[in-house]
Amino acid sequence: GENVEQHPSTLSVQEGDSAVIKCTYSDSASNYFPWYKQELGKRPQLIIDIRSNVGEKKDQRIAVTLNKTAKHFSLHITETQPEDSAVYFCAAMETSYDKVIFGPGTSLSVIP
Amino acid sequence: EPEVTQTPSHQVTQMGQEVILRCVPISNHLYFYWYRQILGQKVEFLVSFYNNEISEKSEIFDDQFSVERPDGSNFTLKIRSTKLEDSAMYFCASSGPRDRPNTGELFFGEGSRLTVL
Repeated sequence: GENVEQHPSTLSVQEGDSAVIKCTYSDSASNYFPWYKQELGKRPQLIIDIRSNVGEKKDQRIAVTLNKTAKHFSLHITETQPEDSAVYFCAAMETSYDKVIFGPGTSLSVIP
Repeated sequence: EPEVTQTPSHQVTQMGQEVILRCVPISNHLYFYWYRQILGQKVEFLVSFYNNEISEKSEIFDDQFSVERPDGSNFTLKIRSTKLEDSAMYFCASSGPRDRPNTGELFFGEGSRLTVL
């Protein structure tokens, strides 16, 4: 089955700096890669996603890149703000939508 | 905006008891899921449900667990003979609005925190 790895597990950046979180997946059949943000005590919420027919997608300060050959995908957050502090999960899903497998998460702290 | 709703928000039970966690998915969604998150850990897939049957389940989802869609709106997770290690946040999610069948985005409920004593 699908296995998603994520690095780093914790990340501290100064406000205004960029943050990069990297993930790898194992199942070449996966073709949908969402990123979720989870604030303490709350539900995961989708922040951006990318499909396998696209190499890069951007939404304001957030961008995601995908390398299907290498089975890598990354989240980039620019101009970080304290409210970006949260746990970020990458995930992978197959076309059948039977399941979304999450990575272990990255705890991001943005220091004012 | 439509939301996935879950009840109860918190349940405390004694080891060995049965619990039922309830979810109301977004009404035009096709796929339903249960996930588990032990405090401070990853979001773990338990089971997915489509067309009134289980479509996929993880190794966690053994005979202790069952899911049901008893009517057109509710989706339940039953945990029999609870153990201490079942203590976790259980998230219900749904996806697949009928007018956009390939979206894939999961919409999570706020979760049900289960504490087994």
